[in-house]
Amino acid sequence: NAGVMQNPRHLVRRRGQEARLRCSPMKGHSHVYWYRQLPEEGLKFMVYLQKENIIDESGMPKERFSAEFPKEGPSILRIQQVVRGDSAAYFCASSPSGFGSGANVLTFGAGSRLTVL
Amino acid sequence: AQSVAQPEDQVNVAEGNPLTVKCTYSVSGNPYLFWYVQYPNRGLQFLLKYITGDNLVKGSYGFEAEFNKSQTSFHLKKPSALVSDSALYFCAVRESLPGNTPLVFGKGTRLSVIA
Repeated sequence: NAGVMQNPRHLVRRRGQEARLRCSPMKGHSHVYWYRQLPEEGLKFMVYLQKENIIDESGMPKERFSAEFPKEGPSILRIQQVVRGDSAAYFCASSPSGFGSGANVLTFGAGSRLTVL
Repeated sequence: AQSVAQPEDQVNVAEGNPLTVKCTYSVSGNPYLFWYVQYPNRGLQFLLKYITGDNLVKGSYGFEAEFNKSQTSFHLKKPSALVSDSALYFCAVRESLPGNTPLVFGKGTRLSVIA
């Protein structure tokens, strides 16, 4: 069982470019979550997705950020026109059931570290 | 709204001594509480959780945590610290109410165990 796979592990972009971060959940998990970790801050919830559906995007910035989890393939977190403030570690987690199913444990990937020059 | 506070950014402990990493929470109803650990350049790993029942919860690597409802706390403890326990520790909470309220994390506490 490969666990939650995130790629790329490190991504460098210049201001104005686009960043695409990918996440393949654990086998058997159909719920995916994205969190952002900024320096000196904790993990901030961004979005919760189930296959082909966005369940909760209350933590996503209103502009430039989007997420999807298609029927086939990994979940994608897309950041358009990146700015220096987007530099952070982005973590994906998955679970077999969603937040509404009680105290389910999230399994995290190793993260994607975005640096915006 | 639910929230978590980890009042200490850094905790230093000598190897072999007991350690405590503090966490307090705020939720409207009853909480589900979690501790995760993050090693450098790695994702978070689950340590333990409290759902209901016994206030003392035992988890991985000899860690335990005590749920205290009156103090709204869920401190992480270990009787004898190891150098390998040095890492970043996160407390997290979500309400036990129906719905999809997200898991909310604290800012993390960096534990340094000194040989």
